[in-house]
Amino acid sequence: EAAVTQSPRSKVAVTGGKVTLSCHQTNNHDYMYWYRQDTGHGLRLIHYSYVADSTEKGDIPDGYKASRPSQENFSLILELASLSQTAVYFCASSVLRGGGEQYFGPGTRLTVL
Amino acid sequence: AQSVDQPDAHVTLYEGASLELRCSYSYSAAPYLFWYVQYPGQSLQFLLKYITGDAVVKGTKGFEAEFRKSNSSFNLKKSPAHWSDSAKYFCALEVRNNNNAPRFGAGTKLTVKP
Repeated sequence: EAAVTQSPRSKVAVTGGKVTLSCHQTNNHDYMYWYRQDTGHGLRLIHYSYVADSTEKGDIPDGYKASRPSQENFSLILELASLSQTAVYFCASSVLRGGGEQYFGPGTRLTVL
Repeated sequence: AQSVDQPDAHVTLYEGASLELRCSYSYSAAPYLFWYVQYPGQSLQFLLKYITGDAVVKGTKGFEAEFRKSNSSFNLKKSPAHWSDSAKYFCALEVRNNNNAPRFGAGTKLTVKP
């Protein structure tokens, strides 16, 4: 079965600190995504990638960087964490273009104090 | 730009009733369309998708959805509903022949009362 794992599962960070969220998939999928979900709301796309060593901006990229060093790994980096970045972050992967469904990781709950 | 609208933030019904969650999209050509479910405290799970062909697609957990090009909708249905269907449901759209990522609607929180 397709598998996407995220680490850490939960993190408390201080304002202005650096945070790195990691995602690993064993699906052999080309596409990987980072979304954030705020309490009671939907998913908003931050960054995505369809090939290693390349990333694309999503709808809300400001304040976030992404890194895709290999097909399996996709990281989200908050260089200067802010209170407004408190949210649950989901990573997902999907097959190459053609309507493949996304497989989601368990999520990372980030609290910035 | 493409977008997805789920007009009902909350839907409440009783067990045994029929459920229909609405999803409309804005895109000039035929998109790929998906439904996902998120149970409380969990991540998202895939339910079903429309790629091409038959307008009615069947998915997991007894759900089906109907693609209607005439009014750009992709509503999710199930009959009868069960209390265990209580969750948040997301509709998503993916553009064909493009490297853009899927976009999600805001979601509909479904409560099924026993």
